[in-house]
Amino acid sequence: GAGVSQTPSNKVTEKGKYVELRCDPISGHTALYWYRQSLGQGPEFLIYFQGTGAADDSGLPNDRFFAVRPEGSVSTLKIQRTERGDSAVYLCASSLTPGAREAFFGQGTRLTVV
Amino acid sequence: SQKIEQNSEALNIQEGKTATLTCNYTNYSPAYLQWYRQDPGRGPVFLLLIRENEKEKRKERLKVTFDTTLKQSLFHITASQPADSATYLCALGKGSSNTGKLIFGQGTTLQVKP
Repeated sequence: GAGVSQTPSNKVTEKGKYVELRCDPISGHTALYWYRQSLGQGPEFLIYFQGTGAADDSGLPNDRFFAVRPEGSVSTLKIQRTERGDSAVYLCASSLTPGAREAFFGQGTRLTVV
Repeated sequence: SQKIEQNSEALNIQEGKTATLTCNYTNYSPAYLQWYRQDPGRGPVFLLLIRENEKEKRKERLKVTFDTTLKQSLFHITASQPADSATYLCALGKGSSNTGKLIFGQGTTLQVKP
């Protein structure tokens, strides 16, 4: 595709439910990142994939959060037993290779836990 | 602890003037620094990257400086236009791990009045 695509754009879920957020990066980009952004704050790093493997998951807040990228392209961020504090915009970004280069962001998925 | 600070208050300037945004950091040694623009409801868009061994970078009406002694970056928009109104984010990257993982500031909102 032309850019990074995230679905859904909005997700409302009840506390305690399970949600999946999808990211379709730019074709050929090997590096993929998930960030979380709360209102009035900058994006906060969650996890980085190089190819299929999670090379750095140091930003995942707890074991309710998990992400996969099984074929090295599309990635899914999974959140179990959602809590109201998980409400935020979840951003996905990709870059051609890792390192000091431009990251292309999707428009984000706004998750609201009620 | 590591900290990145951007002007917390919105910056309001008149069209045609130069906007200057500040990014200060502590307890961090970035290998490079990036500036992104973010419009409401959208993901960040890359503007410029400057490395630790570079003092200044320019792109059209944009100029970024990077002072690793002062631990500060300045971002300038010359001949500002109402279309420049947005939130601007600075982001620091470490070179040692070369992952491309970014640590973001909270952003500064710029409003350019016609």
